Amino acid sequence: DTEVTQTPKHLVMGMTNKKSLKCEQHMGHRAMYWYKQKAKKPPELMFVYSYEKLSINESVPSRFSPECPNSSLLNLHLHALQPEDSALYLCASSQGQGENSPLHFGNGTRLTVT
Amino acid sequence: GIQVEQSPPDLILQEGANSTLRCNFSDSVNNLQWFHQNPWGQLINLFYIPSGTKQNGRLSATTVATERYSLLYISSSQTTDSGVYFCAVRRISGGYNKLIFGAGTRLAVHP
Repeated sequence: DTEVTQTPKHLVMGMTNKKSLKCEQHMGHRAMYWYKQKAKKPPELMFVYSYEKLSINESVPSRFSPECPNSSLLNLHLHALQPEDSALYLCASSQGQGENSPLHFGNGTRLTVT
Repeated sequence: GIQVEQSPPDLILQEGANSTLRCNFSDSVNNLQWFHQNPWGQLINLFYIPSGTKQNGRLSATTVATERYSLLYISSSQTTDSGVYFCAVRRISGGYNKLIFGAGTRLAVHP
């Protein structure tokens, strides 16, 4: 799946830095997702946006701040992260949150916090 | 919440061999997807298969929703099939709608 584009591919940041991950899709999907994946583990849901409104927050720490500027874009703002936040961050989109709405994933951003 | 169990956890094959991966889930679901995550971390859609059988080249999948399992068949495996295969399910009703992943089957295909 390459219809969901994530930038950057790799990111190294210090614990005092502020950075953002970006995700874009042009499939007309109205639901977008952030997942976090640690090594040798399955992806874990962080946030869901449906029609540009936050619909699910899986009790994610406030140092992760999602933003959905429009139906095609999804950002994840990062601030004061910890080394244990190092992981692969995956963005996904789907037509909606109902049936017949498979998720399509981007290639991910591999984040290292030093 | 729904539990998703995949088996086997690890699988080693010689190139050309066939294999079957299994996904069991604990409750009725509306959506079921199979993904392949390659060694570079890319998570690739293989099948969207809440019920029935689908085929795509050397891969096919069958979901028996009434018995709460799905199978992924890989025939004539190639080294490029290596990686982790995830089953993920979603239940729309119950006030909580999210895609839940199994722990995955880690496949290594040797030449």
